[in-house]
Amino acid sequence: EIVMTQSPATVSVSPGERATLSCRASQSISRNVAWYQQKPGQAPRLLIQAAAIRATGIPTRFSGSGSGTEFTLTISSLQSEDFAVYYCQQYDKMVTFGGGTRVDIK
Amino acid sequence: QVSLVQSGPELKKPGASVKVSCQASGYTFTSYGISWVRQAPGQGLEWMGYISAYTGNKYYAQKVQGRVTLTTDRSTTTVYMELGNLSSDATAMYYCVRDKGGGDGPGIFDFWGQGTLVTVSS
Repeated sequence: EIVMTQSPATVSVSPGERATLSCRASQSISRNVAWYQQKPGQAPRLLIQAAAIRATGIPTRFSGSGSGTEFTLTISSLQSEDFAVYYCQQYDKMVTFGGGTRVDIK
Repeated sequence: QVSLVQSGPELKKPGASVKVSCQASGYTFTSYGISWVRQAPGQGLEWMGYISAYTGNKYYAQKVQGRVTLTTDRSTTTVYMELGNLSSDATAMYYCVRDKGGGDGPGIFDFWGQGTLVTVSS
């Protein structure tokens, strides 16, 4: 099973600042990574697929990068609605999720 | 618009089984698969399995293999997830998700159902 490790577990950011979230795969997975956002009491929402392609309707402040084993989700200028938990997911071999990164208000 | 509507909350005793339904609408049912993802209270996301609505191919996570069964009813565009031999660690929110993966297996989850809370308690 491919293990996805996200870091940090929690990051505190002020509105308007940049947030950088990391995700590492236990083996190479090409660019077969997606990112999801989950707010309390809601189902997750797809943000990014294929490591860097924004899903329909996702603002341009969200960007993804990486390939192989190292991946990054960047939120360029945090808005109030962006404070949430973010999960990476690999779909190269079946599916596994990372443990999540919580983005808190600083 | 794409919609995935799941059945209501369930309360089950340890050792019992639960069957959750997910009715899809707003898209060509056989063009996508459906995966199931669960989330225990305060925990992360766990993929359980996938079924192609076109080929019927199924893939299950190792952790639940042998205890979970996915089925489809094309006539009602409904997918069912049955989980047997429940224990307290099966208490979770269960989501069905539209899966952009083809018949080759699970992939990207672009639409999510509202979730079904399954509680296992004696």
